[in-house]
Amino acid sequence: GAGVSQSPRYKVAKRGQDVALRCDPISGHVSLFWYQQALGQGPEFLTYFQNEAQLDKSGLPSDRFFAERPEGSVSTLKIQRTQQEDSAVYLCASSLLDRPQETQYFGPGTRLLVL
Amino acid sequence: GQNIDQPTEMTATEGAIVQINCTYQTSGFNGLFWYQQHAGEAPTFLSYNVLDGLEEKGRFSSFLSRSKGYSYLLLKELQMKDSASYLCAVRESVNAGNNRKLIWGLGTSLAVNP
Repeated sequence: GAGVSQSPRYKVAKRGQDVALRCDPISGHVSLFWYQQALGQGPEFLTYFQNEAQLDKSGLPSDRFFAERPEGSVSTLKIQRTQQEDSAVYLCASSLLDRPQETQYFGPGTRLLVL
Repeated sequence: GQNIDQPTEMTATEGAIVQINCTYQTSGFNGLFWYQQHAGEAPTFLSYNVLDGLEEKGRFSSFLSRSKGYSYLLLKELQMKDSASYLCAVRESVNAGNNRKLIWGLGTSLAVNP
């Protein structure tokens, strides 16, 4: 079946521009995660949804970052007034159930470059 | 605080065995994951340990010692396609519940040479 998909795969933005990154999780997956991964680093947690509820947003680096999942399926990560330090790969992952041992399935990521 | 340590780089020869270590210091523990990530691609799940001991899955095995805050990933019969970054990630247990975030190491870049 289809895996996690993300769009766009690549995004170049001018500093100060707003961007929206989309994640389509595996159908039926309850949990959805957003991560930020800088070059040569491990993923850094941004936020987590259980269905449409955003249960943890402790990793969002500033109030310029906003995520939503209004119908408990597709999620959008929005970054307002982008800065050069926002340049990274943004990974989305989903898991079937909301259990600690659940495997997270990752999408291919959106590579954001802010000039 | 939270800290996960793994070697930055390792090299090995095709057909050999390699062990990638991971040590962690977290405020709680609710499972440890190993993921493989090829350059430019998303991480893919390899293994999950929550109890002490060895979990074997084909050419890959993962070991956990909770008392030592230590895990390793063992790769046998190395193949060229095993060249990738290997990421250790820990899930903390949090009293508040509903905490599912993973704390990630920086990854170990493994190069398999012919």
